[in-house]
Amino acid sequence: SQTIHQWPATLVQPVGSPLSLECTVEGTSNPNLYWYRQAAGRGLQLLFYSVGIGQISSEVPQNLSASRPQDRQFILSSKKLLLSDSGFYLCAWSVQTANSPLHFGNGTRLTVT
Amino acid sequence: ELKVEQNPLFLSMQEGKNYTIYCNYSTTSDRLYWYRQDPGKSLESLFVLLSNGAVKQEGRLMASLDTKARLSTLHITAAVHDLSATYFCAVDMEYGNKLVFGAGTILRVKS
Repeated sequence: SQTIHQWPATLVQPVGSPLSLECTVEGTSNPNLYWYRQAAGRGLQLLFYSVGIGQISSEVPQNLSASRPQDRQFILSSKKLLLSDSGFYLCAWSVQTANSPLHFGNGTRLTVT
Repeated sequence: ELKVEQNPLFLSMQEGKNYTIYCNYSTTSDRLYWYRQDPGKSLESLFVLLSNGAVKQEGRLMASLDTKARLSTLHITAAVHDLSATYFCAVDMEYGNKLVFGAGTILRVKS
């Protein structure tokens, strides 16, 4: 069966520090991968989307970047965190066929102080 | 730009009662998903609705999709406390499984 791992679970970082969140998927090949952010416990915003190694689509302009160095690895990064980067970050995957639901990781709660 | 609106955003209901959560979206789509999120947790897939008139049921929850009205409903029958959670609908904005989420409905079932 497929599993998705996301870490760390919680993170407190000062403003201006770098960020690296990692997500890996097991049990499937060539998945679509996603990073979402949920602010203030409410709706989710799609940040990045990837259909393959090195293929990243950015959905909103921001202080963050994403990379996919391996087929089942997705990394969210920042060089300098802002207060507004605080939130709950969720990695997700889906199979590469239409009509497939997204499967979410357990999330990383990031607090920028 | 695809917009997804849920209402109500907050719902407090008594155990045993019925209620419906509504999800409206702004552009044509025939792929709609419902998710559940418990406090501090990730999202769990509940239903996948892929055609006009689709209806799915799981326990006390039933979801339906009307693509002509651009409306999906999540109906709760005889609510129990365990259903307390936040419920999200999400619409696929293109054939790439890129989902746009509603703001979520916080459901609290009171004993």
